[in-house]
Amino acid sequence: EAGVAQSPRYKIIEKRQSVAFWCNPISGHATLYWYQQILGQGPKLLIQFQNNGVVDDSQLPKDRFSAERLKGVDSTLKIQPAKLEDSAVYLCASSLARGERSGNTIYFGEGSWLTVV
Amino acid sequence: QRVTQPEKLLSVFKGAPVELKCNYSYSGSPELFWYVQYSRQRLQLLLRHISRESIKGFTADLNKGETSFHLKKPFAQEEDSAMYYCALSDWDSNYQLIWGAGTKLIIKP
Repeated sequence: EAGVAQSPRYKIIEKRQSVAFWCNPISGHATLYWYQQILGQGPKLLIQFQNNGVVDDSQLPKDRFSAERLKGVDSTLKIQPAKLEDSAVYLCASSLARGERSGNTIYFGEGSWLTVV
Repeated sequence: QRVTQPEKLLSVFKGAPVELKCNYSYSGSPELFWYVQYSRQRLQLLLRHISRESIKGFTADLNKGETSFHLKKPFAQEEDSAMYYCALSDWDSNYQLIWGAGTKLIIKP
C-alpha cells in the first residue's frame, strides 16, 4: 500500500515570501491532517479535513495559513507571508476515519521541512 | 489536557532495560499511544494502550492512578534508537491527538 506522499521535502524561503506544500493521502482515506512540528516539540494539529470539508482548524493561523482539499483527495497547505517562526516540519497524515483510536490508525507522510530565513 | 515526557534524551547501553516516561492530564477516560520515528523515516504508531500488545519487545501499561503510560523494554537493542512520542486521543475534540514533546532514545553499543 502506497503511503502518504508529500512535496516538496525541503524548502528554504525568505521571510514574507509564500510557500505551498502538497499532500496526497492514502487511497480511500477520508480524513486528512496537517501538522506543524517545530524542532524539539511534538506535532501540533493545524487543520483536519473530512473528505473535502474542514472538521477542525482551530489552531491554524488564518491570517497567513490556508489549506484546501479539493475533491476530497489531495490537499495543499499555503503560508503567505511566511515568518521566521514558521520554520518547522509540516506533516501530512491520513486515516480512514477521524482520529487515532481502535480500528483507525493515522498514517504520516515524511514531512516537508521549511526553513524561513 | 496535556502530555508530558520529562526526558528529552535517554541514553542506555545495549542489553540494558529501557523506560521512557509519559505522564498525562485528562479529564475523561484517555486512550494513549506511543509513536516512534526512526532516523530518516516517517512517524508511525508503535502501540496503543487498549491493545495491550508487545510490539518490538516494547510494552506500555496505563496507570490511571499515577496518570502515566510509560514505555518499557527489558533489553534494549541498537535498532531501538529513535525519537519516541507519547500521545493522547481527545475524544472531546474529534479524537484529536495531544502530543508530548518526545524523547530521543540512544542505545549505546
